[in-house]
Amino acid sequence: AQSVTQPDIHITVSEGASLELRCNYSYGATPYLFWYVQSPGQGLQLLLKYFSGDTLVQGIKGFEAEFKRSQSSFNLRKPSVHWSDAAEYFCAVGAPSTDKLIFGTGTRLQVFP
Amino acid sequence: EPEVTQTPSHQVTQMGQEVILRCVPISNHLYFYWYRQILGQKVEFLVSFYNNEISEKSEIFDDQFSVERPDGSNFTLKIRSTKLEDSAMYFCASSEAGQGYGYTFGSGTRLTVV
Repeated sequence: AQSVTQPDIHITVSEGASLELRCNYSYGATPYLFWYVQSPGQGLQLLLKYFSGDTLVQGIKGFEAEFKRSQSSFNLRKPSVHWSDAAEYFCAVGAPSTDKLIFGTGTRLQVFP
Repeated sequence: EPEVTQTPSHQVTQMGQEVILRCVPISNHLYFYWYRQILGQKVEFLVSFYNNEISEKSEIFDDQFSVERPDGSNFTLKIRSTKLEDSAMYFCASSEAGQGYGYTFGSGTRLTVV
């Protein structure tokens, strides 16, 4: 069965600093991998996704993520964080054999000016 | 940009009452989903719906839950007899071609059972 771990519950960074949010997954084959962002009172917005091919994926809002099969990881990165990036970030995993996504517990990002 | 619309944004109901949560998916999408997020917990899959039938459901989605696409544009989640533990944010999502392509989520309906 698939599972997702986001080890960091809460991360605080200064505006302009770089960011890396960690995500580890468990799945026997190559999964579908996603990052979603949730601002307070809002729904979940898709940042980026990985199915196959190039392991470095570019998303919206300047985010990117890298799939590393050897580490079962799909970490989200941004070179320079903006105050508007403060939100909750969810990693999710899917698979061809199922119709559902399994979400991690989320990482809350706080940005200081 | 097309969006998934959910109504109401917040619903309070008495325990034991029936509730219907409504969603209007993106018009050319074929796959529809309900997820829920209990406060402070992770987002959980409830059900997926394709070609006018349930394609997959979780163990949470018991006989108290049902989904329907009554008119080709709306997608509803009914909880027949609500319990306190049904209090959660319920998210509707739709996808053009299945979960592998990524969903578009609505803003959610916060259900409070008292």
